[in-house]
Amino acid sequence: QVQLVQSGAEVKKPGSSVKVSCKTSGGTFNTFTIAWVRQAPGHGLEWMGGITPIFGRPDYAQKFQGRITITTDDSTDTAYMELSSLTPEDTAVYYCAREQTFLGLDFWGQGTLVTVSS
Amino acid sequence: EIVLTQSPGTLSLSPGETATLSCRASQTVSSHYLGWYQQRPGQAPRLLIYGASTRATGIPDRFSGSASGTDFTLTISRLEPEDFAVYYCQQYGSFSQNTFGQGTKVEIK
Repeated sequence: QVQLVQSGAEVKKPGSSVKVSCKTSGGTFNTFTIAWVRQAPGHGLEWMGGITPIFGRPDYAQKFQGRITITTDDSTDTAYMELSSLTPEDTAVYYCAREQTFLGLDFWGQGTLVTVSS
Repeated sequence: EIVLTQSPGTLSLSPGETATLSCRASQTVSSHYLGWYQQRPGQAPRLLIYGASTRATGIPDRFSGSASGTDFTLTISRLEPEDFAVYYCQQYGSFSQNTFGQGTKVEIK
């Protein structure tokens, strides 16, 4: 069974960066896409970006271009999402999810709450 | 950018009734890349439907999806108490074009 386990909650100051990890197990890490999705309190889901480890090159939603970096560590089957220049509007639950071609986001991490506050 | 517009915003129904949720795309979306998700309070989203009409593993057959042009529909028959949640449609598979609808809340009347 595929599992995605994310790192714990974070509290950050405005202007700082946060790096969230997503450790996968039960699948072939290189062959599927890891997507990052966030959800601000009381709001809907927002796709941020994704990466397919076998291809290496990430892709980002235009809204986050310039301050998001998605990477992978093939040795530990872990994906990372780093978001910089944080503002209170970045307070949200951040999810990683597995995407397979044609099959949508079929497995999700438990979510990581990132709170940005001075 | 393709915009997905879901309607209604909120649907108030009783257990046993049928819910019909709509997702309209601003441009052509391949049916291969349209999904529906359920999100209960405090939980991560769960994939219900992929490819516009195929139920994901373990999803009851009271959930069904259909497509007609740029209009996509999720139908939930015989609502169970656990079905009262928020539902999102999503276009996937195209990275920079991946988007979610704004969600439809199905609440108990």
